[in-house]
Amino acid sequence: GENVEQHPSTLSVQEGDSAVIKCTYSDSASNYFPWYKQELGKGPQLIIDIRSNVGEKKDQRIAVTLNKTAKHFSLHITETQPEDSAVYFCAAGWGNYQLIWGAGTKLIIKP
Amino acid sequence: DTAVSQTPKYLVTQMGNDKSIKCEQNLGHDTMYWYKQDSKKFLKIMFSYNNKELIINETVPNRFSPKSPDKAHLNLHINSLELGDSAVYFCASSGWREGHSDTQYFGPGTRLTVL
Repeated sequence: GENVEQHPSTLSVQEGDSAVIKCTYSDSASNYFPWYKQELGKGPQLIIDIRSNVGEKKDQRIAVTLNKTAKHFSLHITETQPEDSAVYFCAAGWGNYQLIWGAGTKLIIKP
Repeated sequence: DTAVSQTPKYLVTQMGNDKSIKCEQNLGHDTMYWYKQDSKKFLKIMFSYNNKELIINETVPNRFSPKSPDKAHLNLHINSLELGDSAVYFCASSGWREGHSDTQYFGPGTRLTVL
């Protein structure tokens, strides 16, 4: 079945530096790739998503890139701030309700 | 005006008991989900309902039974609770946009502790 691998499991960066989280997926039919942020004690929230007809999408300090040939997509956060500390999840889907989730990355921003 | 709400937020109970978690969404979405998040933060889909019909039913013990009385509600009933059921349970909902499933919106979670 479809599988999504996410790396690293923990990422610690200095405040102001950039953070990159990578995911790979196995099903070439996947066409929807969201990223969710989960703060402590809260439910996951969508921060950015990309569909397979687009290679890159940016929203202020956050960007996502997609390489369909290699079947991987990445989340880039620039100029990291303390409030970026959270667990980040990638997911892959076919637009039919079900998402296959990565295992999550705990991002720690060091002051 | 919470979009997806769950009750209770915390649930502590003894092994063998039966308990329910309620979920409501006011986003007008047709699809609702239940997820289980274990201590390692892994998100596992349990069930999904679309217009009150079950569309996703992963390998979950039959002690877990979802019920959708209408499109805005999806409740989760758990019989004969076991220690391994301890986790955070999230409800979510999504709409349909331009021919594909849209963003999933999550509730705040219910932390279930079985003693």
